[in-house]
Amino acid sequence: DGGITQSPKYLFRKEGQNVTLSCEQNLNHDAMYWYRQDPGQGLRLIYYSQIVNDFQKGDIAEGYSVSREKKESFPLTVTSAQKNPTAFYLCASSISPSGMGEAFFGQGTRLTVV
Amino acid sequence: GENVEQHPSTLSVQEGDSAVIKCTYSDSASNYFPWYKQELGKRPQLIIDIRSNVGEKKDQRIAVTLNKTAKHFSLHITETQPEDSAVYFCAASIGGGGADGLTFGKGTHLIIQP
Repeated sequence: DGGITQSPKYLFRKEGQNVTLSCEQNLNHDAMYWYRQDPGQGLRLIYYSQIVNDFQKGDIAEGYSVSREKKESFPLTVTSAQKNPTAFYLCASSISPSGMGEAFFGQGTRLTVV
Repeated sequence: GENVEQHPSTLSVQEGDSAVIKCTYSDSASNYFPWYKQELGKRPQLIIDIRSNVGEKKDQRIAVTLNKTAKHFSLHITETQPEDSAVYFCAASIGGGGADGLTFGKGTHLIIQP
């Protein structure tokens, strides 16, 4: 199951705290993505990055921030501005920024606000 | 942006019967249509994909059809088996520069009845 790794698997956050979810890939992929999965909602795009030092907002970027300082890493920060952060978060990567290739997913991080 | 509708949300079939899941998309510029299978507690994994220059693609018991004029595509699973039980997601992507990753449908929970 190597290739794209997310950590931690489970994360608990107190209200008002920022937390950072890790995503690392060793597939030499240019493009990386963060999705949020809620029951009955499918996967919704938070942020994506086609190349190092560049990233774009997806459909539900409010309350989230990302960085892409290295090709291998695309961490996601869930800020206190995100009003309903409890969800399952999936990171993905694909070889081509064109979106025409298979996206490989990490095993996900389940974030719970306590 | 792109919008993908997926039906049905739940599908229950007898083992050995066929299952069909349908998706429609809104943006005629979309040209890549993958299907992902997500087993309980696991990451989504690509099972088949189709590009807009092809009308049908088969891989053993799985087939995907694409109707560009009507902007819909379907997943067909024949001779269903218990291990086919999972949530299936369709997705669409606009290839080329500036692509924003995959837009997913909300998923279909496929239940194979013994």
